[in-house]
Amino acid sequence: EDQVTQSPEALRLQEGESSSLNCSYTVSGLRGLFWYRQDPGKGPEFLFTLYSAGEEKEKERLKATLTKKESFLHITAPKPEDSATYLCAVPSGYALNFGKGTSLLVTP
Amino acid sequence: DSGVTQTPKHLITATGQRVTLRCSPRSGDLSVYWYQQSLDQGLQFLIQYYNGEERAKGNILERFSAQQFPDLHSELNLSSLELGDSALYFCASSVQAGGNTEAFFGQGTRLTVV
Repeated sequence: EDQVTQSPEALRLQEGESSSLNCSYTVSGLRGLFWYRQDPGKGPEFLFTLYSAGEEKEKERLKATLTKKESFLHITAPKPEDSATYLCAVPSGYALNFGKGTSLLVTP
Repeated sequence: DSGVTQTPKHLITATGQRVTLRCSPRSGDLSVYWYQQSLDQGLQFLIQYYNGEERAKGNILERFSAQQFPDLHSELNLSSLELGDSALYFCASSVQAGGNTEAFFGQGTRLTVV
């Protein structure tokens, strides 16, 4: 069965303190890895799709990378507005199988 | 704004009742997904429709059903509601049905069963 595991479950950073979130997966034939951001009580917001090992994508302070077994979401010099839950997902059949997410809190 | 519209935003109902949640996908998207999110379970896939036809089922209870209409909007029907059905219900849409393209989520319906 396809598995997606995210770590850590929660992360607290000072503003400007860079860090990385991890998403490890076990799938038979990766058809893409997706990152989403979710604010409390809101729907997940699409961030990135990565399709092959070595691929990288950036958006503002976020950079997503992919290897054959895991993906990292690097957050550079985060700001309080980056506080959210970050979810990764992989295709499983016709839908997306989501990890439980990393809850990020960035304090001023 | 993702372009996916869900109504209502909030719903409070009693146990044993039936409710209908509505979703309008992004313009041009043929595929609609329904997900349930509770505090301890994360996002759980319920069911998918593509161009009016059911394409995939996930962890959907028999008390729940869905359909997609010719204008591509979708409805999720929840019946014989139990306290444990209280959760956020999200609809997402995508252009293709294969699961390997981006899915865009609505803002959800928060269902509270009392």
